[in-house]
Amino acid sequence: SQQGEEDPQALSIQEGENATMNCSYKTSINNLQWYRQNSGRGLVHLILIRSNEREKHSGRLRVTLDTSKKSSSLLITASRAADTASYFCSTPGGSEKLVFGKGMKLTVNP
Amino acid sequence: DVKVTQSSRYLVKRTGEKVFLECVQDMDHENMFWYRQDPGLGLRLIYFSYDVKMKEKGDIPEGYSVSREKKERFSLILESASTNQTSMYLCASSLGARAGELFFGEGSRLTVL
Repeated sequence: SQQGEEDPQALSIQEGENATMNCSYKTSINNLQWYRQNSGRGLVHLILIRSNEREKHSGRLRVTLDTSKKSSSLLITASRAADTASYFCSTPGGSEKLVFGKGMKLTVNP
Repeated sequence: DVKVTQSSRYLVKRTGEKVFLECVQDMDHENMFWYRQDPGLGLRLIYFSYDVKMKEKGDIPEGYSVSREKKERFSLILESASTNQTSMYLCASSLGARAGELFFGEGSRLTVL
């Protein structure tokens, strides 16, 4: 049961540019999380934003949440080649579960 | 740091074989999960466990079973592997907080011939 959907599905940018990814979801949530996955590896948690928060920062990451539009965005500023990865949003799927989107592939060219 | 360890990074098995994928976490987390990841389909939940000997089906449990005899270990079992179970399998754990942060292992890439 897919909940969050990332957009765009793929993004290619130059080093130093900003990258913005969007996530839309369908039902009410109490939090939304973003994860990163380097090729062939497991996912790594980036940031969690609660439903009563509109914006959150962590280093070069900025996440926004608009519960009225059921959408979130992840902004990576001053991107680096090491940011090349797939990015996933996830939302609660009942009890302790998380439901993930299909992911967005970011390529940062040096 | 939380560490989730999956026993095998790469496995090649034959159709009909019984396959065990092992996952161990070292942070006393209550919840453990098995996902499979396929191109174009994202991550899909197979099974999860919120306590020792407790399990719940996820979205795609058919063809799989799980075992959680100890809090730190969660095993995924393919009773009779089939080619459509060729996939990347990801184990994760989390504290008891509702739908909180997941900690993932490095994944086990299974090929069934």
